[in-house]
Amino acid sequence: QSALTQPPSASGSPGQSVTISCTGTSSDVGGYNYVSWFQQHPGKVPRLMIYEVTKRPSGVPDRFSGSKSGNTASLTVSGLQAEDEADYYCSSYGGNNNFLVFGGGTKLTVL
Amino acid sequence: EVQLVESGGGLVQPGGSLRLSCAASGFSFSSYSMNWIRQAPGKGLEWVAYIHSSSNFIYYAASVRGRFTISRDNAKNSLFLQMNSLRDEDTAVYHCARDHTYDVDYWGQGTLVTVSS
Repeated sequence: QSALTQPPSASGSPGQSVTISCTGTSSDVGGYNYVSWFQQHPGKVPRLMIYEVTKRPSGVPDRFSGSKSGNTASLTVSGLQAEDEADYYCSSYGGNNNFLVFGGGTKLTVL
Repeated sequence: EVQLVESGGGLVQPGGSLRLSCAASGFSFSSYSMNWIRQAPGKGLEWVAYIHSSSNFIYYAASVRGRFTISRDNAKNSLFLQMNSLRDEDTAVYHCARDHTYDVDYWGQGTLVTVSS
């Protein structure tokens, strides 16, 4: 069982917005502003989409945004496009004894 | 361009050992902490180990602590993972990944480790 809880699936139509949640505890998500989101297409390596809860690396479209409230972080994808269909994983710093914890992943389907 | 290239994976029997390597290029390797992250076939991501740029701080996931050892050679721009007492559940693609302050920003393509009799 993964340390962070994500819904196994999410979906939306092109142009719509979808939000994926990531629930942890006060020892990880709630305790630090070090939540990240990764996108993984089949057969590809994960790509960093969001770091430090809300920041986007260079090259990531501003359609992707992150937020956090308490022990739950969220990734919102606005203006869904076909190429957004992928698996999305959240991660959080969890302190020295559990340095980096991942969610189980959410398969995003663009209808 | 940042490049991370893993090697050393393969088929090993339960209880056996393997040593993975990761060759880094395109950045100042000695300035960055590094991680090993694995992904079992069809499954999610699991962080395995972290090593500080100077090797002063090392952390392991509970599932591998006492069996795996992470190390690095900054002079050779290389990262290593010594895996002992391998179990079926260690079967996965192992990625080296550059640390980005409590997350990772670049991943290698990975090397497949299969533990099976």
